[in-house]
Amino acid sequence: EVQLVESGGGLVQPGRSLKLSCVASGFTFSNYGMNWIRQAPGKGLEWVAYISSGSSYIYYAETVKGRFTISRDNAKNTLYLQMTSLRSEDTALYYCARPGADWGQGVMVTVSS
Amino acid sequence: DIVMTQAPLSVSVTPGESASISCRSSKSLLHSNGITYVYWYLQKPGKSPQLLIYRMSNLASGVPDRFSGSGSETDFTLKISRVEAEDVGIYYCGQLLENPYTFGAGTKLELK
Repeated sequence: EVQLVESGGGLVQPGRSLKLSCVASGFTFSNYGMNWIRQAPGKGLEWVAYISSGSSYIYYAETVKGRFTISRDNAKNTLYLQMTSLRSEDTALYYCARPGADWGQGVMVTVSS
Repeated sequence: DIVMTQAPLSVSVTPGESASISCRSSKSLLHSNGITYVYWYLQKPGKSPQLLIYRMSNLASGVPDRFSGSGSETDFTLKISRVEAEDVGIYYCGQLLENPYTFGAGTKLELK
């Protein structure tokens, strides 16, 4: 069974940083590109970032470019999202996903003073 | 960016009847490899999105065959036949052809 388990969320002040993790199991993690996708409260889905299987290709949404960094450790089956200079509009449930297949349960990030 | 436009925003369906949701993309989602990269998801209340249909017309594992997907290069339809109570939630279409991946605004399905 595929599992994607996110962690690292919480309440953070504007301008501060936070790092999310996603541990994958049930599939060969190193063979797949991975994504972070977020959902603001009561809103739709917004793709945030993509990283290819070997980390050669990385893409970001314009709304987070320069502030967020996606990375992965294939030896640990773990995906990361380093978020800096956080803004109130980054408040959302963040999903780790292979959107063509599986999604995690999500981790909440709240940016507020 | 590719814009995904869904309609309607909400639909109310009598259990046992069928429902259709439309999605239109601002650009062809047909890749040169012959695959059309449109996907359908259902987000049940309080849950993560779950994949229903991949590559326009392929039923995801474990999804009832009451669900079906069809379409062309830019116009797509999700059909739910014999709607059941467990089908309630928000349906999203999404394109995975190119970054940035984009999603429709969602269609809320309720029961009458």
